[in-house]
Amino acid sequence: GAGVSQSPSNKVTEKGKDVELRCDPISGHTALYWYRQSLGQGLEFLIYFQGNSAPDKSGLPSDRFSAERTGGSVSTLTIQRTQQEDSAVYLCASSLTLGSGTYNEQFFGPGTRLTVL
Amino acid sequence: GNSVTQMEGPVTLSEEAFLTINCTYTATGYPSLFWYVQYPGEGLQLLLKATKADDKGSNKGFEATYRKETTSFHLEKGSVQVSDSAVYFCARQSGNTPLVFGKGTRLSVIA
Repeated sequence: GAGVSQSPSNKVTEKGKDVELRCDPISGHTALYWYRQSLGQGLEFLIYFQGNSAPDKSGLPSDRFSAERTGGSVSTLTIQRTQQEDSAVYLCASSLTLGSGTYNEQFFGPGTRLTVL
Repeated sequence: GNSVTQMEGPVTLSEEAFLTINCTYTATGYPSLFWYVQYPGEGLQLLLKATKADDKGSNKGFEATYRKETTSFHLEKGSVQVSDSAVYFCARQSGNTPLVFGKGTRLSVIA
């Protein structure tokens, strides 16, 4: 079956430009997460959505970062006025619901590699 | 706060060698513990998990035991193969919070 997909796979942009990263979760998964993987920092949580509830934005590093999830499915992560330190791989994951239950595995997409010049 | 600490890499082993990658976690709450693996050019995938103390997670010859007394979840494999070369991430999750990852350990296995 289809897994989590992300687009684009690679994005090169100039400092100061805005970028949008897209995530298509597994159908039927109500929880969706964004993480960032950067050199030296490992994997950092950014934001998650659960159904129609307000998202948990506690991991967003600055107000230049925002995310939406339309219709409880596709999500877009937007970075405004990109900086060189935003260069990283942005990973999306989805799971049936929130929590760490036995059958509630998070499935990860292949990521979007963002390079800010 | 919640955190995970795993051994720094890279780790280079010969084929059939014994592998241990250490992982410790902060003892806040009753987390579930995970090992994720990222093979070259592929996405992150779950390797194994344990949801309570003394549970052992196992998969593909890898094992890790949830040790509450030492707050550890070390990853072990008795005989590594070249195909095990990847980056391994230890992670914890409490309740409905997101995963908290360690910084990853790169393993290279040479024939």
